[in-house]
Amino acid sequence: EAGVAQSPRYKIIEKRQSVAFWCNPISGHATLYWYQQILGQGPKLLIQFQNNGVVDDSQLPKDRFSAERLKGVDSTLKIQPAKLEDSAVYLCASTLTTYNEQFFGPGTRLTVL
Amino acid sequence: QQPVQSPQAVILREGEDAVINCSSSKALYSVHWYRQKHGEAPVFLMILLKGGEQKGHDKISASFNEKKQQSSLYLTASQLSYSGTYFCGTSPRGGGADGLTFGKGTHLIIQP
Repeated sequence: EAGVAQSPRYKIIEKRQSVAFWCNPISGHATLYWYQQILGQGPKLLIQFQNNGVVDDSQLPKDRFSAERLKGVDSTLKIQPAKLEDSAVYLCASTLTTYNEQFFGPGTRLTVL
Repeated sequence: QQPVQSPQAVILREGEDAVINCSSSKALYSVHWYRQKHGEAPVFLMILLKGGEQKGHDKISASFNEKKQQSSLYLTASQLSYSGTYFCGTSPRGGGADGLTFGKGTHLIIQP
């Protein structure tokens, strides 16, 4: 079974530029999450989708971050404009059923200069 | 509210035991444990649910004390492959597929 796919794996941008990350969850997984992991910390939930609807985006900085999940499959997370403090690894995860493990993708490491 | 993990770091010899604790100030419905190796994605270890029993597989087990809002991860006869950072993720709601709130992690180093 293929895992969660993410691209790009690495991205370096300058502050105030825009960037987008892509995630393709495991086939059939209805729930998709985006987490932000700053160096030395645990992942922080940014947004959760159930199919193509948003379940929880309470920690998403909506003035600069946006996310969508068209057709309930793959998802895109965008940052516009980026700030220095956005430097982090952005992890996408998906889960099949309730009370089950979340499968994480390899992440996108973003460096904002 | 972010759960608090302790200790922050542990250094062990191969074959020794370790306990990692995860405490929350809020009532919990579930606790998830993950291990992350440097530069890799977190990997699921186990999930403990409110009212559930202690879980384990191989030489890694965990308990969940609902009254204390605390979970502990037990690693017995540690192996070199156990090295990494361990995170607990908590969910206060019984939504089942809720996004998790993770602790800051416990760094575990196993030496030969």
